[in-house]
Amino acid sequence: DSGVTQTPKHLITATGQRVTLRCSPRSGDLSVYWYQQSLDQGLQFLIQYYNGEERAKGNILERFSAQQFPDLHSELNLSSLELGDSALYFCASSQRINSYEQYFGPGTRLTVT
Amino acid sequence: AQRVTQPEKLLSVFKGAPVELKCNYSYSGSPELFWYVQYSRQRLQLLLRHISRESIKGFTADLNKGETSFHLKKPFAQEEDSAMYYCALNGEYSGNTPLVFGKGTRLSVIA
Repeated sequence: DSGVTQTPKHLITATGQRVTLRCSPRSGDLSVYWYQQSLDQGLQFLIQYYNGEERAKGNILERFSAQQFPDLHSELNLSSLELGDSALYFCASSQRINSYEQYFGPGTRLTVT
Repeated sequence: AQRVTQPEKLLSVFKGAPVELKCNYSYSGSPELFWYVQYSRQRLQLLLRHISRESIKGFTADLNKGETSFHLKKPFAQEEDSAMYYCALNGEYSGNTPLVFGKGTRLSVIA
């Protein structure tokens, strides 16, 4: 599959814990975006990286952080987890730095108990 | 501030009936508007963009700058149209303007 991949598919953890979500962009895409999807808030933009550098920041909590590595894969770290962090986390990628056409991954469903 | 509003969380229509998914936006410049769709068990994907003025799967959307709207329409709904639809806005590049999504509308087409 040459599309965007995300691991793991599902994650169940307890409050107070820390997890790492991983994303591999499409081949050739330099930009990676992270989104949080919840029932109440819809699709919320968290953060964007372009070729290893942070490019834009949205509604990302201080407990959350991300990075993009030299091989262009990205990780989203969520710490001190709360029940309200339970959501679907999507990664998307694009070739250009500011592209309307973003290719989405299948998402990671995080459940905090 | 950029904002996209989709007033309906859920829209149910009968097969063969017309569909209109509403989207209103708030942006002071010249926006680009898009519709993304997420079918069951599939990834979120781009459906159409206002610049291309195309019809995809029978859907069209016209940008109305006077009413700041970008409603998605289809004259005859099909069961396979059932999905989650997101309206999105891309503002003029300022170095910090990724896509802004609305909260989405779930379309349910009833046989």
